[in-house]
Amino acid sequence: DQQVKQNSPSLSVQEGRISILNCDYTNSMFDYFLWYKKYPAEGPTFLISISSIKDKNEDGRFTVFLNKSAKHLSLHIVPSQPGDSAVYFCAAYFQGAQKLVFGQGTRLTINP
Amino acid sequence: EAGVTQFPSHSVIEKGQTVTLRCDPISGHDNLYWYRRVMGKEIKFLLHFVKESKQDESGMPNNRFLAERTGGTYSTLKVQPAELEDSGVYFCASRGAGYEQYFGPGTRLTVT
Repeated sequence: DQQVKQNSPSLSVQEGRISILNCDYTNSMFDYFLWYKKYPAEGPTFLISISSIKDKNEDGRFTVFLNKSAKHLSLHIVPSQPGDSAVYFCAAYFQGAQKLVFGQGTRLTINP
Repeated sequence: EAGVTQFPSHSVIEKGQTVTLRCDPISGHDNLYWYRRVMGKEIKFLLHFVKESKQDESGMPNNRFLAERTGGTYSTLKVQPAELEDSGVYFCASRGAGYEQYFGPGTRLTVT
């Protein structure tokens, strides 16, 4: 039972444009969400997070939006840079639990 | 500040053999997690330590997997005997007071 879903396995964006990565979840008990970025042969690196009491969090070029009624979150990267090419994972915490539930990941490729 | 380190980076063993993976968390982080990624799928939770105590081991596949955390510092994950389906990348993560988990580079385990 996949509780966190990233339905796009890959995404290709031109350098300088906006990248939008999407994530859907099914469990309303999730109360905190995180995005991780992963390069080949490395571990996931924390990027940005959002609490379920907020609908937006911004950090430099990265913004995460949360739509609780739709059980959907998205990561916006503006402007996209070649170094952003990586696999991006959406992850969620259950209320009271401390383990992360991950999506399958989306491979983002930024084209020059 | 040193990040999470894992050893070895890669291990190739034959079915039926034993392998021990090690994780050194960020200094001062009481929470230590093990995750696994199989065949490029989602990253799945295995277990969670708070200091030296197992808080949640609901993700451990079976009793061939044994995790320990000596004195609340480093942790080991032993697989005995290894099976083909145990192949994958094993990640360790640690967490301090916040929500963010910081991941190590992973150990790629190949069982032949």
